Amino acid sequence: KAGVTQTPRYLIKTRGQQVTLSCSPISGHRSVSWYQQTPGQGLQFLFEYFSETQRNKGNFPGRFSGRQFSNSRSEMNVSTLELGDSALYLCASSPRPRGLEDNTEAFFGQGTRLTVV
Amino acid sequence: GENVEQHPSTLSVQEGDSAVIKCTYSDSASNYFPWYKQELGKGPQLIIDIRSNVGEKKDQRIAVTLNKTAKHFSLHITETQPEDSAVYFCAASIDYKLSFGAGTTVTVRA
Repeated sequence: KAGVTQTPRYLIKTRGQQVTLSCSPISGHRSVSWYQQTPGQGLQFLFEYFSETQRNKGNFPGRFSGRQFSNSRSEMNVSTLELGDSALYLCASSPRPRGLEDNTEAFFGQGTRLTVV
Repeated sequence: GENVEQHPSTLSVQEGDSAVIKCTYSDSASNYFPWYKQELGKGPQLIIDIRSNVGEKKDQRIAVTLNKTAKHFSLHITETQPEDSAVYFCAASIDYKLSFGAGTTVTVRA
């Protein structure tokens, strides 16, 4: 069974640009969550999608957005990039949404390393 | 995350010895506590988890204990090996999301 696939693995962008990251969850999993990982803040929850709907959202500005497609693949978008957006962005795949079953497992992908210069 | 505290931040052990990492959480409604191992350049890997209806769970050299009254849980690694060197994160399901501890860097000395 294939794991969680995130593309691209590495990105370098300039301040002010926008970026789109992609995540394909484990086959059969319908919930996708996004996390930002930085040395200073650790792992911070961005949002969760299930059945193409955002189920939960963390404390990030509106520049961070996402969506989910009918095949459960998800994308997240960051507009007007700032230097502080440099981070490892991680996608987690779950069989059920945490909003409905908060003891469900979450499996992470390798992440996308975003560097903003 | 601010709702989950993890200690210690670094841990160095001799190969063959045991390693223990402790976490506390704030929300008494939390009922799911996973542990992740993250190696350099990789995403976090789920290594073991525990739900609030059990007090202890073991998987080979790894065990997790949960004390719901005191709101803390711990990871125990026995007979440590060099490949156990990594950053370990605890997490708790709080407000319908996973809140993570700050991580423990474990180094196993040969």
